[in-house]
This record gives sequence, C-alpha cells and structure tokens, in this order.
Amino acid sequence: AQSVTQLGSHVSVSEGALVLLRCNYSSSVPPYLFWYVQYPNQGLQLLLKYTTGATLVKGINGFEAEFKKSETSFHLTKPSAHMSDAAEYFCAVSFFGNEKLTFGTGTRLTIIP
Amino acid sequence: GAGVSQSPSNKVTEKGKDVELRCDPISGHTALYWYRQSLGQGLEFLIYFQGNSAPDKSGLPSDRFSAERTGGSVSTLTIQRTQQEDSAVYLCASRLPYLGDSYNEQFFGPGTRLTVL
Repeated sequence: AQSVTQLGSHVSVSEGALVLLRCNYSSSVPPYLFWYVQYPNQGLQLLLKYTTGATLVKGINGFEAEFKKSETSFHLTKPSAHMSDAAEYFCAVSFFGNEKLTFGTGTRLTIIP
Repeated sequence: GAGVSQSPSNKVTEKGKDVELRCDPISGHTALYWYRQSLGQGLEFLIYFQGNSAPDKSGLPSDRFSAERTGGSVSTLTIQRTQQEDSAVYLCASRLPYLGDSYNEQFFGPGTRLTVL
C-alpha cells in the first residue's frame, strides 16, 4: 500500500527565509509524486510533479522539489518566502495503474512579516 | 480557459435528507475524480470515472454514496440519508488522457462545502 507522511502540520518562516516542507512516501513500486497548494476556501492547485526523469523538479511560484529514492523523500523548497506563500500544502503519491492520489495530512505554512 | 466547476459551493441540509453535488470537468478531460476533505480524515479518494464508467469506487464510504457520469462530462455525487459525519468539503478533479508527461495530473475544482445539521 502507498502512503505519504508530511512532517510538521504547521510551519512558520520569516518573509525572505528558506521554505522547507517535508514529505516522505511509502510505495513498493516507482511512485509518481505531487505537491499541491490550497488557499483558503479554494480547491487544490498543482505546484509541481515528479513522474520520471530529472529528480529535481521546478514548479510554479519559485517552488522546487527533489525526488530522493534512497531516502523515499520529496521535500518542497523555496529559497525566499513571500507573504503570498501562506497556504496549506499537500504532498500526494500515485503510481502507474492506480488512478487515485493518496494525500498526506497537509502542512499549513505561515509567513512571518 | 474554464477550470473544473462545482455546484453548489455550499450546501446545508438536515440529517436524513438526500443531496446531490455536481461537477463540470474541464472540456476534453476524460477522467474525473471525487475526493472528500474533512478535518478528521484529511483528503480521501472516493471514486474515479474513465468516460462514463467507474472502474474504482473503492473510496465510497457506504452504500449511501453513489455517483454517476453522463456524456463523458458532468458528474453527480449523491448522498442519501445524510448523516452529520458526511459534513465535509467534496472536491472534484479531472485530467486529460495520458499524453507524455501529464501522468495523473489532476485539476481540482473549488469544492462543495456540505454541512449536515
């Protein structure tokens, strides 16, 4: 069975500081990994995804993530936080032949002015 | 272009009543998904449609929940005899047919917030 663990339900960073949101997955087959962002009272927006190929993936709004198979991780980073990054972030996993996304419990990111 | 739309945006109902939630996927998206987001359970998969067929209904929590899709487009999620534990945000997502690197890239609607009193 596949699963996703997001360490830290709440993360606070200062504006301009590094953002690091952690995601570890469990999958017996090669995973497909996703990060979504959810702003208040809105649906989920895809930030970036890893399917195959390059393990460092870049997404929208300056975010990037690196797939590390040896660590079963897919952590999300952004070099410099902006106030507009305040939202909830979800990591999700899927694999070929299984259509559903399995989500982590989410990390709420707060930006301190 | 237009994204995934859902209606109503909010629904308040009384325990025991039936409700219908609607999803309009992005045009050309062949696959459609329903998820539920609640405080206690997080984001849970409910059902997946490919065209009008539902090959995976494994996430439907009980037989009070059903869904259909017609014309390969609009989908309706029906909850019969609603219970308070059904209160949640119901999210719909759709995706294109698999092409290149677009594997399972799902686009989400804004959700329907269901409150059962």
